[in-house]
Amino acid sequence: EPEVTQTPSHQVTQMGQEVILRCVPISNHLYFYWYRQILGQKVEFLVSFYNNEISEKSEIFDDQFSVERPDGSNFTLKIRSTKLEDSAMYFCASRISGNTIYFGEGSWLTVV
Amino acid sequence: AQSVTQLGSHVSVSEGALVLLRCNYSSSVPPYLFWYVQYPNQGLQLLLKYTTGATLVKGINGFEAEFKKSETSFHLTKPSAHMSDAAEYFCAVSDRVESNYQLIWGAGTKLIIKP
Repeated sequence: EPEVTQTPSHQVTQMGQEVILRCVPISNHLYFYWYRQILGQKVEFLVSFYNNEISEKSEIFDDQFSVERPDGSNFTLKIRSTKLEDSAMYFCASRISGNTIYFGEGSWLTVV
Repeated sequence: AQSVTQLGSHVSVSEGALVLLRCNYSSSVPPYLFWYVQYPNQGLQLLLKYTTGATLVKGINGFEAEFKKSETSFHLTKPSAHMSDAAEYFCAVSDRVESNYQLIWGAGTKLIIKP
């Protein structure tokens, strides 16, 4: 069964460093998402991406964050100048045109 | 704005007992409704969903949920709990806007199965 894959599964980075989280959505999907889950808190929407541009973003998704689809398969989340509070599980997701969003297994980011 | 409330951050049941995880939503129009499960150290897996049609939906692993519009609820049930059901369960809703579709999540309920 097709699945969303994310790398790395876990990354530890020093405060102030830049991080890129990578995702390979399901191949024929058209809509792409990043969500995050801070430990012990709700899953939060960050951004959605369609037709090579951001279609919606939350208040969390400020100038520190950016997304890119550099080729036909990858969908990346870049976090510049990481802060301690960026430590979270980041989920990539995708969907075709229907109503079901498929999630990857997540990337744990620990900022120290 | 839409919101999702899951009653009980932890629910503990004995193996073989009924599982009931509660979810209530607030929305001006009936949304799409989802239950996701997160096993330890794993991602979010779709358990079941309601979009239109039959209000009782069946999902994987013997779970089902019933959409009750009058109660704005979408509670998740399973007749007989199994040890492998121990996980965190998230209820989520979305609106019906095609292009800016996103999920609003509940806080999650950790299901504990007692032997």
